[in-house]
Amino acid sequence: EIQLVQSGAEVKKSGESLKISCQGSGYSFATYWVGWVRQMPGKGLEWMGIIYPDDSDVIYSPSFQGQVTISADKSVSTAYLQWSSLKASDTAMYFCARMYGSGSYSDYWGQGTLVTVSS
Amino acid sequence: SYVLSQPPSVSVAPGKTARITCGGNYIGGKSVHWYQQKPGQAPVVVIYYDTDRPLGIPERFSGSNSGNTATLTISRVEVGDEADYYCQVWDRTSDHRGYVFGTGTTVTVL
Repeated sequence: EIQLVQSGAEVKKSGESLKISCQGSGYSFATYWVGWVRQMPGKGLEWMGIIYPDDSDVIYSPSFQGQVTISADKSVSTAYLQWSSLKASDTAMYFCARMYGSGSYSDYWGQGTLVTVSS
Repeated sequence: SYVLSQPPSVSVAPGKTARITCGGNYIGGKSVHWYQQKPGQAPVVVIYYDTDRPLGIPERFSGSNSGNTATLTISRVEVGDEADYYCQVWDRTSDHRGYVFGTGTTVTVL
């Protein structure tokens, strides 16, 4: 069974750093793109970026370039999303998702990680 | 950057047909995917590559794409279809590539 399991909810303060994770199982993790999606409270889906774990090729949305870092460790089948200095506006649910192929749809999603940042 | 526009809301009576549009410049030349998201849940793909339906998605869900508009059609709407729906494309230009989501449409079953 294919699964993406994300790390648990986080409560942080402005200025702190954070790294959340997304572990894949049941498929060849290294050979499928994995993406990150932000959903702010009561708002729509926003594409943040994707990574190809086999060679760590990353494509960022212009809106998130420089704001977050996407990485992956194929040896533990895990993708990461990290911030060096959180802001209150980073409060959101973050989903990871597997892309069926390059430029293709997301066929499996993680359960989401809620990040709450207080000022 | 590429923009996808959806109506904020669509209301439909049970048993009737809901049509959700996704507007974008020459979107007919791109592949469109549609996701359903119920409250507190992760999105689920209901239509991919304009018209294809994943296993487990009812035949009541169908898609089309032409010109500047893609459409998700839900026939014989059921109460369980109440959700937010998002369109998505892969946008590739000479100097940029990436995904774009539509603004989202809330479907309410009256």
